[in-house]
Amino acid sequence: AQTVTQSQPEMSVQEAETVTLSCTYDTSESDYYLFWYKQPPSRQMILVIRQEAYKQQNATENRFSVNFQKAAKSFSLKISDSQLGDAAMYFCAYRSVLSGAGSYQLTFGKGTKLSVIP
Amino acid sequence: KAGVTQTPRYLIKTRGQQVTLSCSPISGHRSVSWYQQTPGQGLQFLFEYFSETQRNKGNFPGRFSGRQFSNSRSEMNVSTLELGDSALYLCASSIQGLNTGELFFGEGSRLTVL
Repeated sequence: AQTVTQSQPEMSVQEAETVTLSCTYDTSESDYYLFWYKQPPSRQMILVIRQEAYKQQNATENRFSVNFQKAAKSFSLKISDSQLGDAAMYFCAYRSVLSGAGSYQLTFGKGTKLSVIP
Repeated sequence: KAGVTQTPRYLIKTRGQQVTLSCSPISGHRSVSWYQQTPGQGLQFLFEYFSETQRNKGNFPGRFSGRQFSNSRSEMNVSTLELGDSALYLCASSIQGLNTGELFFGEGSRLTVL
């Protein structure tokens, strides 16, 4: 079974600064998807960024980028120019690419609560 | 395009009662998954439905059940509620076939068991 570990329960960052959230995972599969989801207080979870394991290039979405180290099974999220609206719980998640049963099941880490200091 | 809609948003039950939660996926999405979110256990997969069939089930007791209707709407039921069932129950939908892996979540149903 796959596991996802987020070792930082809480982090804080000054507005306009850069912060990196860590995530490691364990799997025996060679192809899979990795995600970072954001869950603002009392609001729905939304996808921040996605990485396909077969792609060596790190995914980037505006101020959000990842550092994907497949051999090390590490998938960190970097948030640049942090904004007050970035304050939220951030969850790292894993999904197999196997088709059929279980293909859409996500395995989540415990989350990192990010605070943005004005 | 409307997002994933979950009802009710909040509810309070007592031990021993049962509860039914509803989820309407994004139009065109045929896969619906349910997750339980608690401070201690985090997000845990309950089950996934596709075309009215349960494709996968997490490690939860049989008190947790679900179903999906022909219009892709899904319900989950928890019988004989226990205090530990207090949680935020999240529903997520996705498009089958694109294999992009993205799940779209609803705002959740917050269940409190007294």
